[in-house]
Amino acid sequence: SQQGEEDPQALSIQEGENATMNCSYKTSINNLQWYRQNSGRGLVHLILIRSNEREKHSGRLRVTLDTSKKSSSLLITASRAADTASYFCATAGNQFYFGTGTSLTVIP
Amino acid sequence: DVKVTQSSRYLVKRTGEKVFLECVQDMDHENMFWYRQDPGLGLRLIYFSYDVKMKEKGDIPEGYSVSREKKERFSLILESASTNQTSMYLCASSLSEGLFQKTQYFGPGTRLLVL
Repeated sequence: SQQGEEDPQALSIQEGENATMNCSYKTSINNLQWYRQNSGRGLVHLILIRSNEREKHSGRLRVTLDTSKKSSSLLITASRAADTASYFCATAGNQFYFGTGTSLTVIP
Repeated sequence: DVKVTQSSRYLVKRTGEKVFLECVQDMDHENMFWYRQDPGLGLRLIYFSYDVKMKEKGDIPEGYSVSREKKERFSLILESASTNQTSMYLCASSLSEGLFQKTQYFGPGTRLLVL
């Protein structure tokens, strides 16, 4: 069964706005990773946050992790049209589970 | 940069055919994975391998087999293709420590249509 569930399923924003995506999971994890997928392509790793970390930044990306609530969020600041893609969380522990993804559309 | 390549971007096969999907990585990664991706279901793990000639079933292995004769190559085999195997197939690789804890590097995917 799937471990990660993203919310919302789809998100549409104007260029320059911030985009926030959430991920909930069910069991204990070693780390949580976020990936991006452009339409019809493979996944690209964005950022990894370990279970003992609460927040991590990488460029315009900010990831938070709350292990007590078994949830994570990905914030993309100052979005660009090129950020249009699907974003997946993946939980890493005894197994590796991907969520169903959030489809982000950034309107120029 | 890690490069993972897959033999075909698009493939059309007939029901009952034997189908081979090839994946090659150039970074000497021990672990390799095959997923299928379907709308609303996300990525589901079919098989994985942590070493040459080693293979383990994932969540949905039925109807599939794999082969890992060389470290860099991991093949997915559909023994007798069926229409419900129409999907996007993604190959990935990762370093050895912590089989399911490392970043995975993905190929571009193969979109398979079974008629």
